[in-house]
Amino acid sequence: DVKVTQSSRYLVKRTGEKVFLECVQDMDHENMFWYRQDPGLGLRLIYFSYDVKMKEKGDIPEGYSVSREKKERFSLILESASTNQTSMYLCASSLLDRAHEQYFGPGTRLTVT
Amino acid sequence: DQQVKQNSPSLSVQEGRISILNCDYTNSMFDYFLWYKKYPAEGPTFLISISSIKDKNEDGRFTVFLNKSAKHLSLHIVPSQPGDSAVYFCASYSMRTGANNLFFGTGTRLTVIP
Repeated sequence: DVKVTQSSRYLVKRTGEKVFLECVQDMDHENMFWYRQDPGLGLRLIYFSYDVKMKEKGDIPEGYSVSREKKERFSLILESASTNQTSMYLCASSLLDRAHEQYFGPGTRLTVT
Repeated sequence: DQQVKQNSPSLSVQEGRISILNCDYTNSMFDYFLWYKKYPAEGPTFLISISSIKDKNEDGRFTVFLNKSAKHLSLHIVPSQPGDSAVYFCASYSMRTGANNLFFGTGTRLTVIP
């Protein structure tokens, strides 16, 4: 049974803080993804990674960076958090050749004040 | 600009009846379509998919229909059960650009009334 875990369910940070969101998957998946979910906008892809140290920008990468030092772990970094980054953040993973079948974590609700 | 649209934010159906969830897309390059289901406090889970070479795909109580000329897909759940109450997202992508970049709709909240 695939499990994707995210480090926090709820997080409150101040404007300008550096924020790390961590994601770990236990099924040896090659692909990992970070999305944000906002009302009226659905899920939007921020970044994805298909291998260790590899990353590709999604639709909305501005203000974010990522790190993948180990296959099972994918981190999303907000270098200087802003209020417009208040959102639900979802991590997902998939096999390399079944990227459409993504397994999601429960999400982290980040509030930036 | 939303390339995948779910115009109904919510839908209520009696248990045992058919649930029909609709989705429209604007990008004619999309050729693979998916439905995900999301329960509260959980991440979305993959439900069913269809490629553009088909117009129907069935998996148990779930059937997805694709109308390419109308750029429209729908998910039918028959019979609906209370456990089907969830938010349903449709998503799509172009095989040319790859499934790493899925485009999701905004979701439809289905409530199945016992």
